[in-house]
This record gives sequence, structure tokens and C-alpha cells, in this order.
Amino acid sequence: QSALTQPPSASGSLGHSVTISCTGTSSDIGSYNYVSWYQQHPGKAPKLMIYEVNKRPSGVPNRFSGSKSGNTASLTVCGLQAEDEADYYCKSYAGSNNLVFGGGTKLTVL
Amino acid sequence: QLQLRESGPGLVKPSETLSLTCTVSSGSISSSNSDWGWIRQTPGKGLEWIGSIYYSGSTNYNPSLKSRVTMSVDTSKNQFSLNLTSVTAADTALYYCARQGPLSSGCYFDYWGQGAPVTVSS
Repeated sequence: QSALTQPPSASGSLGHSVTISCTGTSSDIGSYNYVSWYQQHPGKAPKLMIYEVNKRPSGVPNRFSGSKSGNTASLTVCGLQAEDEADYYCKSYAGSNNLVFGGGTKLTVL
Repeated sequence: QLQLRESGPGLVKPSETLSLTCTVSSGSISSSNSDWGWIRQTPGKGLEWIGSIYYSGSTNYNPSLKSRVTMSVDTSKNQFSLNLTSVTAADTALYYCARQGPLSSGCYFDYWGQGAPVTVSS
């Protein structure tokens, strides 16, 4: 299986919104509503932000939302705050008990 | 709050076996809703799922690593382990253990260890 495709970088201004894409194939994102997103600050472990495409774990601000269309999933962050600056990774179930991550996107808050 | 902690050698020689253990605390590894996974991170390739194990011993491995990976679980110690054989410099990475949610929710990883750096070098 190949890694999911994410843009290496994204940026948005304080208070504004940004969307990060995650492109897979009909064998992973396109076949299952099992996309999750992770936030990782430097030197820290990844943190679950979204699961099952658009569900937020307890404690994750509702500024974070997820969606999916075809083979592409997206993470949108509204009302950008300085602490949102981090790396973001998508992950999808790929069938046959396989999991695949995206390459990661570095989000810069301007 | 569930806690996970990786342990093992930080330096492994090429062609040898990388062995890591994850100790789970403040929760049981025998939970019916959990698998337990290993993920690694390299600067160039981001996050890579290595594989997962259920408390019964049932395993699933990344096809690209399957020939070199073995995972095991010790419920009496609340631990699970990773063995990766015939390592090369390409296996140099930060290795994380994590709790994996059920397939019905897409196998998300909601609790992570702090990561164990492993360098493959002679």
C-alpha cells in the first residue's frame, strides 16, 4: 500500500480558516469512512483530533472538523490560533486489517 | 488516564534484531475494545504503521514489513512487544506504541507512548 498524499505545508492567518487535504485511492479513503487525523507538536507524540472522518474525541475544540469526498479527505481548522501550528497527519483503514498514514502537513499560523 | 511507555535499546547493529516493549498502565491490555499498535516516524517518511496485536495474540502487520516483524503480548505484565529482524539504517526511527480503537471506528490511535528513538548503526 502507498502512503496517502498530503501537501507538505499549509498556512493561514490568525483567526482565519485553513483546510488540509489527504488523497488516497478507492482501496482506502474511497472505500471506508475510517479516516482519522492527528496533530503533532515538535517533540511530542501525535494526538488524535478526528476519527471516522468527522468525529471529534472529547476535549478537541469544535474548530476542528473533518470531511470526505471520493478518495480525498480534508481537515479544516477554523478560527486559527497560535497553538494550532503543528504537523498534521491523516490515516485511513485500507482493508484487510491494513492501515496507512499520510506524509504529513506542516501548518503555519501567520 | 491510560498510559503507555516504550522501552528497549536505543542502538542496534545492522542485520540484528530490534526489540521494543510497551508497558501499559492505568488500564488493562486485555480490554476487548482495544488492539495495541506500533508506529514509527522518520524525518523523511512521516508516520508508518508497523502492525497491531490483540490481547489474544492475534496480529496484523504492514505488508511492507511483514516478513521481518513479530509482535507478542504478555497480559500478566500488561505489556506488548515488537521484534524487527535484519535491520538496516532505513529502520532508524522514533518508535511509538499506541492503543488502537476498534475496526468499527476505523482503528484510530487515541493513546500514545512518548516514543523510543532507535538508531541502527555499527
